[in-house]
Amino acid sequence: RKEVEQDPGPFNVPEGATVAFNCTYSNSASQSFFWYRQDCRKEPKLLMSVYSSGNEDGRFTAQLNRASQYISLLIRDSKLSDSATYLCVVNSGYALNFGKGTSLLVTP
Amino acid sequence: NAGVTQTPKFRILKIGQSMTLQCTQDMNHNYMYWYRQDPGMGLKLIYYSVGAGITDKGEVPNGYNVSRSTTEDFPLRLELAAPSQTSVYFCALRGANTGELFFGEGSRLTVL
Repeated sequence: RKEVEQDPGPFNVPEGATVAFNCTYSNSASQSFFWYRQDCRKEPKLLMSVYSSGNEDGRFTAQLNRASQYISLLIRDSKLSDSATYLCVVNSGYALNFGKGTSLLVTP
Repeated sequence: NAGVTQTPKFRILKIGQSMTLQCTQDMNHNYMYWYRQDPGMGLKLIYYSVGAGITDKGEVPNGYNVSRSTTEDFPLRLELAAPSQTSVYFCALRGANTGELFFGEGSRLTVL
């Protein structure tokens, strides 16, 4: 089983839609969790950290379920500018393990 | 990308050539990483370092070497380039408190 698994998509949604991504991780001792955004041919950039109690940043909500070992990202009121690849990242010790990413395309 | 500088941004190598990808930081962070990303794939860890003089292998270290003589610099060396090393290479450093990774802009390497 891979360390971090994501549905690669693509998710094609119209502007204004709500879309959710899930990510599962295999190491139950993992300590911290993140969502990164990567635009085409660019470096990944932190979108948000994921806290145990769940957290929200504007239109973005992240949740963590330690019992089931998954994290989620919810995007409300999608914008064209949200089109990107979203990477799930899990910290297990020194290294951060990346999922392959979920591709999102928001259409007019 | 304040703080993490990668060079070169693009490079074409012939099979068997060697080269060094440079990574320099001015944020005084201890933890640094080299990842590679193949098209449509996630990032795979090549090597990492937890401080000057300390390096360790990641998931895909074969064909690469690193050194960390100073906190600022973490170069990645390819000794005998192979087509399988065609990829985008990202250097990153990790924030001490948040665990956030700060990436360089990437180095796009093609081996022909």
